[in-house]
Amino acid sequence: KAGVTQTPRYLIKTRGQQVTLSCSPISGHRSVSWYQQTPGQGLQFLFEYFSETQRNKGNFPGRFSGRQFSNSRSEMNVSTLELGDSALYLCASTTYQAATTDTQYFGPGTRLTVL
Amino acid sequence: AQSVAQPEDQVNVAEGNPLTVKCTYSVSGNPYLFWYVQYPNRGLQFLLKYITGDNLVKGSYGFEAEFNKSQTSFHLKKPSALVSDSALYFCAVRDTGNNRKLIWGLGTSLAVNP
Repeated sequence: KAGVTQTPRYLIKTRGQQVTLSCSPISGHRSVSWYQQTPGQGLQFLFEYFSETQRNKGNFPGRFSGRQFSNSRSEMNVSTLELGDSALYLCASTTYQAATTDTQYFGPGTRLTVL
Repeated sequence: AQSVAQPEDQVNVAEGNPLTVKCTYSVSGNPYLFWYVQYPNRGLQFLLKYITGDNLVKGSYGFEAEFNKSQTSFHLKKPSALVSDSALYFCAVRDTGNNRKLIWGLGTSLAVNP
């Protein structure tokens, strides 16, 4: 079974631009979560989607948004990019069969660099 | 508030020796604990989790973790380290309540020396 895939793997943008990242979950997984990873802050939760609905949201500004499609694929968008948005963005999927005990499986991430 | 601490930024161990990567947690209610490993330029790979039951949890690649409720710890262990185990290790706890997010430690860099 194929794992979580994320595209693109690397992105370079300039301040003020916007960016869209894509995530395809493991087949049969219906929940997708997004995390931002930086050396200073570690892993920070962005949001979670299930059945095309945002279920949970972290403490990020409104410039960060996402959506999920009917095939469970998800996208996240960052508008008006800032230098501090440079990070590794990780996507994780789960079956959502058990609210607290299921395992999240991660993709390889998208490395975003903002110049 | 729920939190996870990994008290060591880096752990060095010789190949063949046992290794321990420490994790302590603070959570209200039952703790659901996870260990992940990250290799350079890669995503996170799941190693093991504790949900309930036996305090010694066995996972992938020969790793195991010991849950200790009284010490609120969930240390990762391996009897004999390999050079290929060198990576960044993360401990996480599931948030309680309606938010299912994982709360992460800052990671421990493990270096296994030949």
